[in-house]
Amino acid sequence: AQRVTQPEKLLSVFKGAPVELKCNYSYSGSPELFWYVQYSRQRLQLLLRHISRESIKGFTADLNKGETSFHLKKPFAQEEDSAMYYCALSLPYNTDKLIFGTGTRLQVFP
Amino acid sequence: DAGVTQSPTHLIKTRGQQVTLRCSPKSGHDTVSWYQQALGQGPQFIFQYYEEEERQRGNFPDRFSGHQFPNYSSELNVNALLLGDSALYLCASSLRDSALKNYGYTFGSGTRLTVV
Repeated sequence: AQRVTQPEKLLSVFKGAPVELKCNYSYSGSPELFWYVQYSRQRLQLLLRHISRESIKGFTADLNKGETSFHLKKPFAQEEDSAMYYCALSLPYNTDKLIFGTGTRLQVFP
Repeated sequence: DAGVTQSPTHLIKTRGQQVTLRCSPKSGHDTVSWYQQALGQGPQFIFQYYEEEERQRGNFPDRFSGHQFPNYSSELNVNALLLGDSALYLCASSLRDSALKNYGYTFGSGTRLTVV
């Protein structure tokens, strides 16, 4: 079955440090991949998706099909980046649902 | 635009009871999906409704059922509640055929269900 793995439950960094939130998936084809973010007391919202190749709030994510990874990166973390981050995928033949990882909580200390 | 609205925000039920959760999609959206998020886990897909029909279902028992109304709002019903049904239930709306490819889902704030 398709699966999304986020190996870190918690990632703590200091402001200005680089950040990498890891995401690996299990699927042999070409999935669509997303990062969702949930800030404190706010609803889950889309951060970025690999097909758009955007950079949102300084975050980027590159799909590596060889390593089946979609790690989220930011060169200089800000305190306002503190949140829960979820990696998710959808299958090309079934875009009706998202398969989420268990999430990583990012804490950015001043 | 209020986005996706869910009600109630919290509720407590006793094991064996039945519960109904409600969702109003974002204006302009016609598809509603329901997710269950247990503590410490990511959201898990329950089912999706479009044109008042269940279009796809995740790995959930028949105790979980739903409905979509002509105005696109939706209900999630859970019968014979178990302690393990305690979770945050999220509603997500989208516009059919454009959801994941273009915009992603719009999520509600969720209903926190506690079964005692």
